[in-house]
Parts: sequence; C-alpha cells; structure tokens
Amino acid sequence: QIQLVQSGAEVKKAGASVKVSCKASGYNFSNYGISWVRQAPGQGLEWMGWISAYNGNTKIVQNFKGRVTVTTDTSTSTVHMELRSLRSDDTAVYYCARVDFIAALLYFDYWGQGTLVTVSS
Amino acid sequence: QSALTQPRSVSGSPGQSVTISCTGTSGNVGGHNSVSWYQQHPGKAPKVMIYDVNQRPSGVPDRFSGSKSGNTASLTISGLQPEDEADYYCCSYAGGFNVIFGGGTKLTVL
Repeated sequence: QIQLVQSGAEVKKAGASVKVSCKASGYNFSNYGISWVRQAPGQGLEWMGWISAYNGNTKIVQNFKGRVTVTTDTSTSTVHMELRSLRSDDTAVYYCARVDFIAALLYFDYWGQGTLVTVSS
Repeated sequence: QSALTQPRSVSGSPGQSVTISCTGTSGNVGGHNSVSWYQQHPGKAPKVMIYDVNQRPSGVPDRFSGSKSGNTASLTISGLQPEDEADYYCCSYAGGFNVIFGGGTKLTVL
C-alpha cells in the first residue's frame, strides 16, 4: 500500500537547522511530486512548497525562500526538507504529501504522519 | 498571498446538512478548477475528501460533495454523522505552481 513515512520529532535551538525526511513506498516514486505543509500548534495548514521526484524541479513559497531546501533521493525514494535559521514561530508539525503532477491532479492524496519540530530559545 | 476565507466554525445535528464556504479570488479559486477539501481529526494528518472542485476519491462517502461558483467553493456534508466532527480545509491552485489553503473550519456535530 502507498505510504509516506516521516522522520521523528526534533527539538532545536533558535538559529539552528532541521532536516525532515519523507520516505515513500508502494508506488513509482519518480512519477509523482512531494509537497511540504506545516501546521503550527492550534493553527491552520500552511503550504511550503513542492518538488517533482521526476526531475527535481522545486517551487518554494516566497516566505520560505532562502531558508528552505527540498531535495530528492530517488535511490531510496526519500524526500528531504531542510529549514534553516530556525525561529520560535517555526515550531509546528511538518507534513509531506504526495501530488500527481503528471496527471495535473494538483491535490494531496497521501500524507505522511507528520513530524513535530520544536524550536526553543 | 492571504489564506482563502472560510468560516471559523459551523455546526449541525446528526442527519442534517451543512455547507462550508471557501472564498478566494480570480487568481486562485475563481480561475482554476484545482480546488480540494481536506478533513483533519485532532492529532491526525489531513485526508482529502474532494478534489478538482467536485470529485470524490474512492472510499469517501457520497455524503460529501463539492461545488464552485465564481470565487467561492463550497463543501456540503449531508446526513451528518458524529464522525464528521473535524476541521475542514479548502485548498486551491493559485497559478505559477503555487497552492494556497483556507484558514480552516471547525465542524461541530451537536
């Protein structure tokens, strides 16, 4: 079955970096993209960007440009999201989600379980 | 860009119908048919309920339906059941490979 399994919870100091991974299984990894969505405590969903596992092309929301890097490792069907210069308001659950670019189905059909990133000062 | 506008909360009794609105602009909801809706229970990952305005993924009950008129999309849940109590988020493609979410609506089943 299709699964996205994310790395475990992280606690970081302000100013540090965090890398969250999302390992895909159960489908042809290269035929889809992966998006990152975060949710601060008690808040709504915030789209961060996405990457095509087919060609590595990325789109990162302007708010995060310069702080976020998303990469793929097709050998392990894993997508990594690195967030740098962490601030306290980056404390959130980070989700990865699958998107079907090839069929132009621009919605998120499978989600990871979420990774809690806590930033302390 | 600002989040799509959703009511903060809606409520209904079991068996009733509720509609959640999602208002955007011609640059997102009004200009594209890639509008989707997600259900999120506390502590869980979101789950897609509707995509492409009115398409239901397999396994989603036909009590859930979607529509769009102009810059506003809507999710209607008919025959409300206790397990429908959750947060609901709309999402729209916004051009230029951008996506935008709504602020979320808390559905209470009375």
